[in-house]
Amino acid sequence: DAGVTQSPTHLIKTRGQHVTLRCSPISGHKSVSWYQQVLGQGPQFIFQYYEKEERGRGNFPDRFSARQFPNYSSELNVNALLLGDSALYLCASSLTPDQDTQYFGPGTRLTVL
Amino acid sequence: DAKTTQPNSMESNEEEPVHLPCNHSTISGTDYIHWYRQLPSQGPEYVIHGLTSNVNNRMASLAIAEDRKSSTLILHRATLRDAAVYYCILSSTGTASKLTFGTGTRLQVTL
Repeated sequence: DAGVTQSPTHLIKTRGQHVTLRCSPISGHKSVSWYQQVLGQGPQFIFQYYEKEERGRGNFPDRFSARQFPNYSSELNVNALLLGDSALYLCASSLTPDQDTQYFGPGTRLTVL
Repeated sequence: DAKTTQPNSMESNEEEPVHLPCNHSTISGTDYIHWYRQLPSQGPEYVIHGLTSNVNNRMASLAIAEDRKSSTLILHRATLRDAAVYYCILSSTGTASKLTFGTGTRLQVTL
């Protein structure tokens, strides 16, 4: 069975640009969470979606937004990119928001120049 | 959120047992203890979780102190493939998909 997939693998953008990152959860999983991992630190929670509704938001500015589609895939959008947005963006899925096991994808490495 | 404290790094010899400690003195009665690990250039991977009793699975064992203020992840025979950053995380009901990661313990395994 396919795990969580994310695209693209790597991305280079310049300051002020916009970026869209995509995530496909494990088949049957309806909950998707997004995390940002800056080099040398643990992942930081950004958003959680379940059944297309936002169920949680971390301490990130409004430049960050996300949505979940009817097939439970998800997009993370970041506007007006800053150098500090350079990070590994991770997507995790689970059957429900309360399921104890989160399955993470390999991440998208975003570099902002 | 209740916080956890882990050593920054640990070393182990291959095929030896490894005990990774985690302190969580402010844990609440409904907090589960989760362990994830992150291998180089990969996303985090679930290892094990528990509430009060010790837990075993094919990857590891989790020993939880009687007062629940600390726990220990036990890798019974470390291999080179176990070299990773290990995260100890607390979550309560409804927050299992909103994990709060710390900086974890970097485990180095040598021959």
